Amino acid sequence: GAVVSQHPSRVICKSGTSVKIECRSLDFQATTMFWYRQFPKKSLMLMATSNEGSKATYEQGVEKDKFLINHASLTLSTLTVTSAHPEDSSFYICSAPLPEGQRVEQFFGPGTRLTVL
Amino acid sequence: RKEVEQDPGPFNVPEGATVAFNCTYSNSASQSFFWYRQDCRKEPKLLMSVYSSGNEDGRFTAQLNRASQYISLLIRDSKLSDSATYLCVVNMGGYNKLIFGAGTRLAVHP
Repeated sequence: GAVVSQHPSRVICKSGTSVKIECRSLDFQATTMFWYRQFPKKSLMLMATSNEGSKATYEQGVEKDKFLINHASLTLSTLTVTSAHPEDSSFYICSAPLPEGQRVEQFFGPGTRLTVL
Repeated sequence: RKEVEQDPGPFNVPEGATVAFNCTYSNSASQSFFWYRQDCRKEPKLLMSVYSSGNEDGRFTAQLNRASQYISLLIRDSKLSDSATYLCVVNMGGYNKLIFGAGTRLAVHP
């Protein structure tokens, strides 16, 4: 199947710093990618839809100025957590859709575990 | 009301047992449905899509009832390796946005 990578897989940072997470589709192009956040023992929550060549679409309650998304190319989307605080500590996962015939399958990256001290 | 609701479990079952998970969704315009499996501290992986006619993949059977907005997953002859969290997922269509249920945790013991 298709492969989506994320980097870094784990990051620990001090409160107030900014952290950039990359999501790449390795063997296919993705005009759209999705960013999710997952707190311990909770489900994935969609944060935003990253659109190549245009602004990201944020879900209700997600601060666009705090979570900056840039879809730089057809294979790369970045999420920057600005001025991170301990409550931003979470598991961040991206996904990219790939049409498979009449269906669309979502391929997920391996996730980035962010810990803010 | 949550868009996708699941019984959180955990379901603790012995090897060889049959276990069923249920899920309901609130948006009648939802277009496609999936079960994903997520292991601890890993990304979700697609287990199977769910079709109106019901579908089976080995020990796994998925059913969809659009009238009741209800989805199920049946696992027969449980294996230790089936231990994971099972996520009910709904695609709202259009932009391929996936909405996840909170997941049902399954623990299969010897």
